[in-house]
Amino acid sequence: EIVLTQSPTTMAASPGEKVTITCRASSSVSYMHWFQQKSGTSPKPWIYDTSKLASGVPDRFSGSGSGTSYSLTISSMEAEDAATYYCLQRSSYPLTFGSGTKLEIK
Amino acid sequence: QVQLQQSGTELVKPASSVKISCKASGYTFTSNYMHWIRQQPGNGLEWIGWIYPGNGNTKYNQKFDGKATLTADKSSSTAYMQLSSLTSEDSAVYFCAADWEGVMDAWGQGASVTVSS
Repeated sequence: EIVLTQSPTTMAASPGEKVTITCRASSSVSYMHWFQQKSGTSPKPWIYDTSKLASGVPDRFSGSGSGTSYSLTISSMEAEDAATYYCLQRSSYPLTFGSGTKLEIK
Repeated sequence: QVQLQQSGTELVKPASSVKISCKASGYTFTSNYMHWIRQQPGNGLEWIGWIYPGNGNTKYNQKFDGKATLTADKSSSTAYMQLSSLTSEDSAVYFCAADWEGVMDAWGQGASVTVSS
């Protein structure tokens, strides 16, 4: 099973601050996918195939990486970005999610 | 638009079974994988498995072998997950999510299952 380790586990950012969340895989994966979840709601697709933004996702978000190291970056934090972000790999079974990064606004 | 409508909250007794539904609309149900995901209280997301409704093929996370059974009814565009031999560990919110244009890009609202005597 491929284990995905996200860091940090929790963080707080000020409006306008640049934010980077990383996801490290225990074995190489072809792509990484990201989801955003706000409290009490379903996860939403956010970034797919490592760097493609899902429909409706603001372009202040970006994704990058390869092999075992991937990241989600927010160029300028906004209040609406406060949420928990999960990475997902589907390169091998079982599909696995990272444990999540809770992002709060300062 | 693509919608996945899940069944409601379930309160069930230990050792019993429960069947959760996920009704799809707005896309070709038989041509896209349907995943099931568990989220235990305060925890992250765990992939349970997928079903391909077109032919009924399934793939499970070994962790849920014998616990979850995935089925689909093409006539009503509804996917089902049955959970058996329930314990308190199975108390969670269960999501269905369809691969529509990409990866799990449509999600149901979640079905809450509480196992308690």
